[in-house]
Amino acid sequence: DGGITQSPKYLFRKEGQNVTLSCEQNLNHDAMYWYRQDPGQGLRLIYYSQIVNDFQKGDIAEGYSVSREKKESFPLTVTSAQKNPTAFYLCASSIGAGVAYEQYFGPGTRLTVT
Amino acid sequence: AQKVTQAQTEISVVEKEDVTLDCVYETRDTTYYLFWYKQPPSGELVFLIRRNSFDEQNEISGRYSWNFQKSTSSFNFTITASQVVDSAVYFCALSEANYGGSQGNLIFGKGTKLSVKP
Repeated sequence: DGGITQSPKYLFRKEGQNVTLSCEQNLNHDAMYWYRQDPGQGLRLIYYSQIVNDFQKGDIAEGYSVSREKKESFPLTVTSAQKNPTAFYLCASSIGAGVAYEQYFGPGTRLTVT
Repeated sequence: AQKVTQAQTEISVVEKEDVTLDCVYETRDTTYYLFWYKQPPSGELVFLIRRNSFDEQNEISGRYSWNFQKSTSSFNFTITASQVVDSAVYFCALSEANYGGSQGNLIFGKGTKLSVKP
């Protein structure tokens, strides 16, 4: 089945630790995205990548880092510099980077930092 | 300024009632797309529909219908004869041709939580 996988579904970390969230897609999509969702809020864009080896900051990139070494993979690292890392993180992909393309989402990772 | 407004934070209906979810957007672009996504309790967003700015025809898909009106900058979503399985958070989103220099990035509303009771 084609789709987007995110692992793990729940993640717990101690404050001050970096943590990497996995996102893999087998849809052969060029573009990939990371969003953050807080309770009662819409999704906010953290980073996006339109093509392999290239990525751009979204609206709330501070405290996060990404890499795009393979078309299928777009891992997100939540660093200790992120002040409020506890949130629900969603990865998405689209066929291309353009205004017309719908994005398909993974199941999300719920990160709790204490 | 908020670009996508979903004024209804929560709606509760009884099964078989019709319900309309409102979405108002703001953009200066002439070329843009509007989307609706459903987020069930499992958390994954499910794509429902895409509409471009040049197509104001209403769309119907089963019990779902969408009303796009450029004159009022609205893209409302109606569920006819609601069912318990429709319970979810619904997001409206906008994609502008020239948003932040990056085409295709979605701007989401804050969502409307729909609860359908049996």
